[in-house]
Amino acid sequence: DVKVTQSSRYLVKRTGEKVFLECVQDMDHENMFWYRQDPGLGLRLIYFSYDVKMKEKGDIPEGYSVSREKKERFSLILESASTNQTSMYLCASGDSAGTINEKLFFGSGTQLSVL
Amino acid sequence: GENVEQHPSTLSVQEGDSAVIKCTYSDSASNYFPWYKQELGKRPQLIIDIRSNVGEKKDQRIAVTLNKTAKHFSLHITETQPEDSAVYFCAASFTGGGNKLTFGTGTQLKVEL
Repeated sequence: DVKVTQSSRYLVKRTGEKVFLECVQDMDHENMFWYRQDPGLGLRLIYFSYDVKMKEKGDIPEGYSVSREKKERFSLILESASTNQTSMYLCASGDSAGTINEKLFFGSGTQLSVL
Repeated sequence: GENVEQHPSTLSVQEGDSAVIKCTYSDSASNYFPWYKQELGKRPQLIIDIRSNVGEKKDQRIAVTLNKTAKHFSLHITETQPEDSAVYFCAASFTGGGNKLTFGTGTQLKVEL
């Protein structure tokens, strides 16, 4: 079974800190995504990547950056954390090669609190 | 870009009743419509999906219908059970879009005994 692992389940940081959220998938998927989940707002796409060293902005990229140095690892970076970035962060991966399999596999999420 | 609206935001039904969740989308190029279920404290998981060349798809107690003309699709759960209680998200994308989904805002379904 596909496994998408996020490094931390809960994280507490202070305003202004640099924060790294790590995600690793074990199924050799090309595509990886970072979503933010807030009550009443659903899942909003922050950044995504279709290949190593490649990144694309999603719908809410402001205040975030990403890194994909290896195929299996996709990191979300908050350069200077702010209280409005307190949220649940979900990583996901998928492999739509051939356009047959559109399924996304999610990690368990990281609940980030910025104080 | 794509915009997906989902209603209702909360839904409470009695065990054994049916539940219907509706979504509308804006981009006529979208042709893939999955539904994800997220139980409390767990990750979202795909439960059913439909492509635009199909009007309806069933899998046991769940079904999804699609109206391309009206740009809306719905999730139907029959004979609801307590384990159906969860948040359900609809989403839309297009084939060849590289798994890039636009999600609705979610529906909290509560099945009461």
